[in-house]
Amino acid sequence: GNSVTQMEGPVTLSEEAFLTINCTYTATGYPSLFWYVQYPGEGLQLLLKATKADDKGSNKGFEATYRKETTSFHLEKGSVQVSDSAVYFCALSKETSGSRLTFGEGTQLTVNP
Amino acid sequence: GAGVSQTPSNKVTEKGKYVELRCDPISGHTALYWYRQSLGQGPEFLIYFQGTGAADDSGLPNDRFFAVRPEGSVSTLKIQRTERGDSAVYLCASGTPNTGELFFGEGSRLTVL
Repeated sequence: GNSVTQMEGPVTLSEEAFLTINCTYTATGYPSLFWYVQYPGEGLQLLLKATKADDKGSNKGFEATYRKETTSFHLEKGSVQVSDSAVYFCALSKETSGSRLTFGEGTQLTVNP
Repeated sequence: GAGVSQTPSNKVTEKGKYVELRCDPISGHTALYWYRQSLGQGPEFLIYFQGTGAADDSGLPNDRFFAVRPEGSVSTLKIQRTERGDSAVYLCASGTPNTGELFFGEGSRLTVL
């Protein structure tokens, strides 16, 4: 079946540090890949997505590239801010499942000033 | 606001009781999803509605769990004979099928004593 594996957290960084959160997936065919973010006290929200191999999703300074050869979708940001502190979830969906998302375990990011 | 609304935000109940959790999706969204999130885990799919019908209920853990969406808008997740293991945050999301972008509510935290 489909599954998503994220790097174990929590991750603690200083402001302006470089961020990488690793995500790998297992799926048949060609899933779409997503990063969702959950800020404290808020619901999950879509951060970025990529729907085919070699696509790069980007938003708010975050980027992730769909790598089919390594089945990965690592999240990166060049310079994190305190306001980026949140829980980040990698997820995949298959068209045949009507946008049903399969999530990773989540990675807690804390950015200190 | 115009986001996904879930009530109650918190529910404490005793083992064996019946519980209903309500979701009011974004107006016009035909797809509605229920997920369950345990502490330190990613959201786990329960059921997906397209309109009034359950298009995929394969994530419901057992027959104590049931969900309805009688008019294609508001949905209710019903849990009978609650068990301590049902304690979790129950998330509702709505969206347009096959886009992968879901809009999540803040969740209903269920605690079974």
